[in-house]
Amino acid sequence: EAQVTQNPRYLITVTGKKLTVTCSQNMNHEYMSWYRQDPGLGLRQIYYSMNVEVTDKGDVPEGYKVSRKEKRNFPLILESPSPNQTSLYFCASSLSWGSYEQYFGPGTRLTVT
Amino acid sequence: AQTVTQSQPEMSVQEAETVTLSCTYDTSESDYYLFWYKQPPSRQMILVIRQEAYKQQNATENRFSVNFQKAAKSFSLKISDSQLGDAAMYFCAYRSGGINAGGTSYGKLTFGQGTILTVHP
Repeated sequence: EAQVTQNPRYLITVTGKKLTVTCSQNMNHEYMSWYRQDPGLGLRQIYYSMNVEVTDKGDVPEGYKVSRKEKRNFPLILESPSPNQTSLYFCASSLSWGSYEQYFGPGTRLTVT
Repeated sequence: AQTVTQSQPEMSVQEAETVTLSCTYDTSESDYYLFWYKQPPSRQMILVIRQEAYKQQNATENRFSVNFQKAAKSFSLKISDSQLGDAAMYFCAYRSGGINAGGTSYGKLTFGQGTILTVHP
């Protein structure tokens, strides 16, 4: 089944404790990106990747890192999480940046206390 | 920068009736795409319908249709014969058709704030 998977689905952590949210797709997509969803703000792009080893900042990159060492994986790294990073996170992928449809993962609910 | 505005935080409709969700956007580009996404309580983002800006004909997908007014920069979603399963958060989204001068628009979806739709039996 073609899909985007994220792990974990739920995470509660403390300020400053490094964490990684994994994202994997099995559709051989070149383009992948991360969004965060906050009430009243919709979804905002954090980082995106055009292909392996090619990443760039989105609208809200502060406090996040990403890497794209393999085509299928695009992990989101929070090296020192803070409470303002409490949010719902989505990974998305598409065949290319210009593709009509982006496929979203199931979301990761992160709480930082 | 492009912006997308959904001015209706919440809407409700009776089952089998019709409801229209509003969306306006601001852009200086001529080549772009507009989308409506549905987010049910499961949180999954589901593409409902898309519209290419260069197409004058409004997109339709079964009970879902859009009213695309390019000059007014308006993109509303009409749901006909509403069903209980239509209850969800709906997001309007914009994507550039090209690369902006800063090269930072690759594939980015710009979302509105969302509208919660309640369907009453």
